[in-house]
Amino acid sequence: DAGVIQSPRHEVTEMGQEVTLRCKPISGHNSLFWYRQTMMRGLELLIYFNNNVPIDDSGMPEDRFSAKMPNASFSTLKIQPSEPRDSAVYFCASSLRANTEAFFGQGTRLTVV
Amino acid sequence: AQSVTQPDIHITVSEGASLELRCNYSYGATPYLFWYVQSPGQGLQLLLKYFSGDTLVQGIKGFEAEFKRSQSSFNLRKPSVHWSDAAEYFCAVGTGTASKLTFGTGTRLQVTL
Repeated sequence: DAGVIQSPRHEVTEMGQEVTLRCKPISGHNSLFWYRQTMMRGLELLIYFNNNVPIDDSGMPEDRFSAKMPNASFSTLKIQPSEPRDSAVYFCASSLRANTEAFFGQGTRLTVV
Repeated sequence: AQSVTQPDIHITVSEGASLELRCNYSYGATPYLFWYVQSPGQGLQLLLKYFSGDTLVQGIKGFEAEFKRSQSSFNLRKPSVHWSDAAEYFCAVGTGTASKLTFGTGTRLQVTL
């Protein structure tokens, strides 16, 4: 299996622009997670899907952030409009079931200038 | 609320020396516990996990960890460190589900030759 696939690996955008990050989970995995990693806050959970349904979005920082999972093999995290403080590495992870370990993608490094 | 503490921000060891990275957690129920490793510019790789049973768990790359309920600890150990082990190590607790993770702040391991 190719593992969790995220695209793009790097994204540089200007403040105010819309940014869309993409994730393909491991085939057959039912749970999907978006995490953000920053120097100041470390790794924090943004949102968690189970069977394509958002279960917990309490970590989403603001209404500018939205996430969707239209099917079992694809998820997006959108920021609109983007701000410099959104600069971070965004990780997608998936797990076979809710009570199994999570496998992480390589991350998307987002820079908002 | 759950939390994970990694008291050592940075550790330096000589190649061939033993290693112990500390992790303490706070969680009201029996936790799912994990150690992940992150190399620069890479995603997080699972080293080992504890769900239940034997409190001494073996992982990949020669790592092991011991769950001590009385101390709320899950320390990571390796008897002989290799230069390729230089990376950042994250302890995490799964709360509610195994894969919804709360991470510690990480310990950066430097290995001197």
